[in-house]
Formats: sequence, structure tokens, C-alpha cells
Amino acid sequence: QSVLTQPPSMSGTPGQRVTISCSGSTSNIGGNTVHWYQQLPGTAPKPLIYSNYQRPSGIPDRFSGSKSGTSASLAINGLQSEDEADYYCAAWDDSLKGWVFGGGTKVTVL
Amino acid sequence: EVQLVQSGGGLVQPGGSLRLSCAASGFTFSNYEVNWVRQAPGKGLEWVSYISRSGETIYHADSVKGRFTISRDNARNSVFLQMESLRTEDTGVYYCAREDDVGDQDPWGQGTLVTVSS
Repeated sequence: QSVLTQPPSMSGTPGQRVTISCSGSTSNIGGNTVHWYQQLPGTAPKPLIYSNYQRPSGIPDRFSGSKSGTSASLAINGLQSEDEADYYCAAWDDSLKGWVFGGGTKVTVL
Repeated sequence: EVQLVQSGGGLVQPGGSLRLSCAASGFTFSNYEVNWVRQAPGKGLEWVSYISRSGETIYHADSVKGRFTISRDNARNSVFLQMESLRTEDTGVYYCAREDDVGDQDPWGQGTLVTVSS
């Protein structure tokens, strides 16, 4: 059972908008920034969003992040076939003194 | 190029030991914290260990506390994960990742497979 809660799977057709939720608590998301990672099959995770909503260079603006209270979300606008991957949220947990991850959301492009 | 290159890993029997290495290049290694994150087959990401820039502050996940030890050698631009008393549930791909000032894990190493089995 992951400390951060994400839906296990989501799907959409090309061009659609998909929003992935990430729910935590005051010791993690509520008091610290949220980061999102994309993992393609057989590869290392890749940074997608840092500090709640910032995009690293090279990440398309189709990807956006937000945070409110103890929850965060990742939106993918204009879904493309190459977006089919697993997505993870992460935050530092002050109580556990460690990083906590969501269980991951598998996004399928129909 | 900023990169982390991992080595070590392999097949080990339950109760055995293994040491993972993560070599950094392309940046000033001593200016960054480092984490180890693992992924069991078909499962999600699980944070394992953290080490500060100087190595003075270390945290381990409860699941590995007392069995795993993270360390670093800034002169060799490397971080290590010494794993003792390995269990079958420690099986998975282990990644090292550089942590920057805002907590972003970037980049990640290529990953190394650890298999604990008799």
C-alpha cells in the first residue's frame, strides 16, 4: 500500500485530456512540493513535473501539474500515443523522513 | 553530459550481501544529494535510501533499515549501497538518482537488477 494514492489506470483517445490525481497527507503533499515522473517500459523514470507545476526543459507544455492542500494532479492535454506510460507522483514525507511515491498510474492511449 | 552510471547487482542467495555503485559525471557531485529507489518486478517505485551532500545525513526506508547502508565518496564522485541480509522481497531494479535543490530526482541511473533467490 503506497503512502500516496493514485488511480491504477486511466485511458483516453488521442487528443483527449487525462488528469491523474495523487492524494496524500499533511506530512507529505500538504507540507512539501510534489514531483511527477514518467516511466516508459523497460526504462528509468524521467522527470516530468517538479515543484508542483514546473516543467524541466524539453517537456512539452501538454503536461501540467497542480497542487491543492494534500492533493496534487497531473494533466495531459492533447493525449498522444507516445504518452502511453506509467506515471508516478512523489513527495518528501516529514514524518517518515523519506521520499514517498504513489503506486503509479498506467495511461493507455486507445 | 550529466549522467549516473550504475554497477553491481546480480543474483544472490537469501541472507547474502551485495554492493551497488553509482558513478557520477558531468557535474559537481559534492553539490548534490543522492537517493536510491527500487522497483520490484511489475510493481511501482519504492524509495530506499538518501544521503546528503557531505554524507553526514542519511535516511533509510523502514523496510531496509539495519540491513542496507548508503555511503558516498565525493573524491571518487560515487555513491554506494551496501546491502546485507538480503531477502527475496529485495528483488528488483535499483536506481540511483541525483536530487537537486528543489527535490527533483534528475537524472536517474540506468538501473541495475538485484535478484535474491536460492
